[in-house]
Amino acid sequence: SAVISQKPSRDICQRGTSLTIQCQVDSQVTMMFWYRQQPGQSLTLIATANQGSEATYESGFVIDKFPISRPNLTFSTLTVSNMSPEDSSIYLCSARLAREQFFGPGTRLTVL
Amino acid sequence: AQSVTQLGSHVSVSEGALVLLRCNYSSSVPPYLFWYVQYPNQGLQLLLKYTSAATLVKGINGFEAEFKKSETSFHLTKPSAHMSDAAEYFCAVSDLFGNAGGTSYGKLTFGQGTILTVHP
Repeated sequence: SAVISQKPSRDICQRGTSLTIQCQVDSQVTMMFWYRQQPGQSLTLIATANQGSEATYESGFVIDKFPISRPNLTFSTLTVSNMSPEDSSIYLCSARLAREQFFGPGTRLTVL
Repeated sequence: AQSVTQLGSHVSVSEGALVLLRCNYSSSVPPYLFWYVQYPNQGLQLLLKYTSAATLVKGINGFEAEFKKSETSFHLTKPSAHMSDAAEYFCAVSDLFGNAGGTSYGKLTFGQGTILTVHP
């Protein structure tokens, strides 16, 4: 199995600012994912981040708003840029290992 | 395109009663199906998965789910609820794709989630 940690666990930010969320996996993984869980809604995939290549974004998500880094096989970051209250969500990191997908505890973001 | 519908955003049962959480899916290809559980302030944990083998799948914590192709359903059940089962449950669907390393799951599409409350 894989254990995934995220930092920060929660944050309250002002609109117009940016926040970078860190995701650390205790195993080397090829595929990592970032999801958003808006209040009262399900998980929505933001992008897939494979090490050594550019992240692949889902429809409705763009790199300028959600830049992603994937510098090695155990780490990734997601930045939420120029935040607005609509970005208030839980952001979850996920990794695929041995044909199973594991999830981090999430980062609860509130934008005022 | 794939989609998942979970019937009932909230389900409440008494301790010891049957738990039934409903999930219907839509997929143009044979699906892989999953149930995840999310406890407060924790990440999602895989309960069980259907990957085209036996249609009745047993998972952790006494949960099981049955894949019914004719009904496009994958309902989650547990014969006797425990207080510790209180959590949010997500059904998810994925297709299968091939890559250089063999086959793997495609993108996960999640349902809206069902919050399970267990009363003493």
